Amino acid sequence: DAKTTQPTSMDCAEGRAANLPCNHSTISGNEYVYWYRQIHSQGPQYIIHGLKNNETNEMASLIITEDRKSSTLILPHATLRDTAVYYCIVRVAGGNQGGKLIFGQGTELSVKP
Amino acid sequence: GAVVSQHPSWVICKSGTSVKIECRSLDFQATTMFWYRQFPKQSLMLMATSNEGSKATYEQGVEKDKFLINHASLTLSTLTVTSAHPEDSSFYICSAGAAGGTDTQYFGPGTRLTVL
Repeated sequence: DAKTTQPTSMDCAEGRAANLPCNHSTISGNEYVYWYRQIHSQGPQYIIHGLKNNETNEMASLIITEDRKSSTLILPHATLRDTAVYYCIVRVAGGNQGGKLIFGQGTELSVKP
Repeated sequence: GAVVSQHPSWVICKSGTSVKIECRSLDFQATTMFWYRQFPKQSLMLMATSNEGSKATYEQGVEKDKFLINHASLTLSTLTVTSAHPEDSSFYICSAGAAGGTDTQYFGPGTRLTVL
């Protein structure tokens, strides 16, 4: 079973920041938070991941709470092409510890003009 | 990010035939690849973990004799759906992670299988 909880859907106005929350209250100390998104009929696209510090890359920012029980993915200036299902996944990274990604239902983000 | 390809992108076959799907890591070596299946309006479901040079590990409920996985090299894994039936029609997606480091998984574009 997925170890994260996300809202089923969200809307965002084009050009505004999209803030996607994720709860992972049972996260273990060696588990990272990963975010992927899936545009209709395509394979998932990696966005960002983090352990406990906030992370930023060219696509998004990841804010992880101090207790690591929740996180927020921020798309700073959403465009219509950001419309997709966003998945928050906790996973042990590195080595051969399975590394499996277990997908929940994700959040369907609709960016509207 | 790393590039993963799949071939074919879509396939239509008759019931009872077998279909092979290839997954390749184009610019990195992957000791482990994963195969997922996705039905319409549903999330991705992990089917199996493909390990280079050894037998695949299947998730509970996935028939290993029906979904044959071969991972003969560090850049290629194949999934063969044997004796396909209409209920096997689905979107099949693979992922691969570079050996070492945090092995972030990168996904292929998916293969749409339709069994008539």
